[in-house]
Amino acid sequence: DAGITQSPRHKVTETGTPVTLRCHQTENHRYMYWYRQDPGHGLRLIHYSYGVKDTDKGEVSDGYSVSRSKTEDFLLTLESATSSQTSVYFCAISPTGVVDQPQHFGDGTRLSIL
Amino acid sequence: SQQGEEDPQALSIQEGENATMNCSYKTSINNLQWYRQNSGRGLVHLILIRSNEREKHSGRLRVTLDTSKKSSSLLITASRAADTASYFCATDNAGGTSYGKLTFGQGTILTVHP
Repeated sequence: DAGITQSPRHKVTETGTPVTLRCHQTENHRYMYWYRQDPGHGLRLIHYSYGVKDTDKGEVSDGYSVSRSKTEDFLLTLESATSSQTSVYFCAISPTGVVDQPQHFGDGTRLSIL
Repeated sequence: SQQGEEDPQALSIQEGENATMNCSYKTSINNLQWYRQNSGRGLVHLILIRSNEREKHSGRLRVTLDTSKKSSSLLITASRAADTASYFCATDNAGGTSYGKLTFGQGTILTVHP
């Protein structure tokens, strides 16, 4: 398995609080992605990174920000969590970002916002 | 909008039977990928088929791609209880810069009964 660690694995928090999820990789891959998974929607891309300090928005980026200060870490922040952000969040990595390369996924963070 | 639509949403079969899942998509693609997700885990890449390929095999997996119909199918032959999982198709977008971004279908939940 690719070396991808997501933390925390589970979190329960209250509406309006800030939340940061961490994705750590040991593969030295350049490309990293954050997805959310919800019933009936599959996985949807939130943000992605194509290098240190290089990030861009995905399909469902409203309410989320990201940072990548070093190759191995990609942080996803919910500045003020809302109940609609209750979801399972997955991080994925890819060595080249070329479209014929598979992505490797972490095991997810289950986030509940009450 | 959802790029990939999969059917059926759920499939229940007996061990030894074949399982077929279908995926439809909307835009032109460079390739299509299939992933598997066991309960509580991240997605695992199964197979990739390029837009200029019509069929691809990998072990008990057979993938077809019909770009004229914008559809793909995943066939798992001689299924086993261990094949029980959710299966997702994922596509890129042939237009513009990709950065390896994928759009996932909603998935098919496969249950294989011993």
